[in-house]
Amino acid sequence: SAVISQKPSRDICQRGTSLTIQCQVDSQVTMMFWYRQQPGQSLTLIATANQGSEATYESGFVIDKFPISRPNLTFSTLTVSNMSPEDSSIYLCSVVPGQGIGGGTDTQYFGPGTRLTVL
Amino acid sequence: AQSVTQLDSHVSVSEGTPVLLRCNYSSSYSPSLFWYVQHPNKGLQLLLKYTSAATLVKGINGFEAEFKKSETSFHLTKPSAHMSDAAEYFCVVTSNFGNEKLTFGTGTRLTIIP
Repeated sequence: SAVISQKPSRDICQRGTSLTIQCQVDSQVTMMFWYRQQPGQSLTLIATANQGSEATYESGFVIDKFPISRPNLTFSTLTVSNMSPEDSSIYLCSVVPGQGIGGGTDTQYFGPGTRLTVL
Repeated sequence: AQSVTQLDSHVSVSEGTPVLLRCNYSSSYSPSLFWYVQHPNKGLQLLLKYTSAATLVKGINGFEAEFKKSETSFHLTKPSAHMSDAAEYFCVVTSNFGNEKLTFGTGTRLTIIP
């Protein structure tokens, strides 16, 4: 398994501003992911954070809105840019421990989430 | 392609009675299946997973699930509900081949009646 922390745990922001969310893992991992959970909804994958290269975004998510950094194998950030009330969600990072590539028998472990409210 | 359907958005049971949360899946390849639990204001915790080994999978906190290929189901059960089981439960499917993404169900909210 892996121990994952996220900062901040929650925030209330004004529309038009940006928030950067940090995800820290206690061990080196190959695969890190960012998810969004809108109120009362399930989880939707935003992107895969690739170490040393650009993130891979899912349909409906773009880099200008959700820039992601992955400077090393234990850390990643997600920025929610130019926020609107529709961005109010829980944002979660997840990892596959070790050198797993995700899917198959690899288990994803999730951070505690960042609860974002945009006014 | 893959998908998962959680048949009940909300389940209520009395404390001490059995729990059944239903999940049906669809997958083009041999699937891996997971159940995660999310307590209020907490992250997701893995309850159990199936990855083509034994079809009856035992997880944490007394939960278990049975993979039934003929019925494309992976229902979650517990013999006796506890108040601490009140939470949101997500059924998740992925493929055994390569890095197929996780597909989450819409979740089932479990309420325990004292």
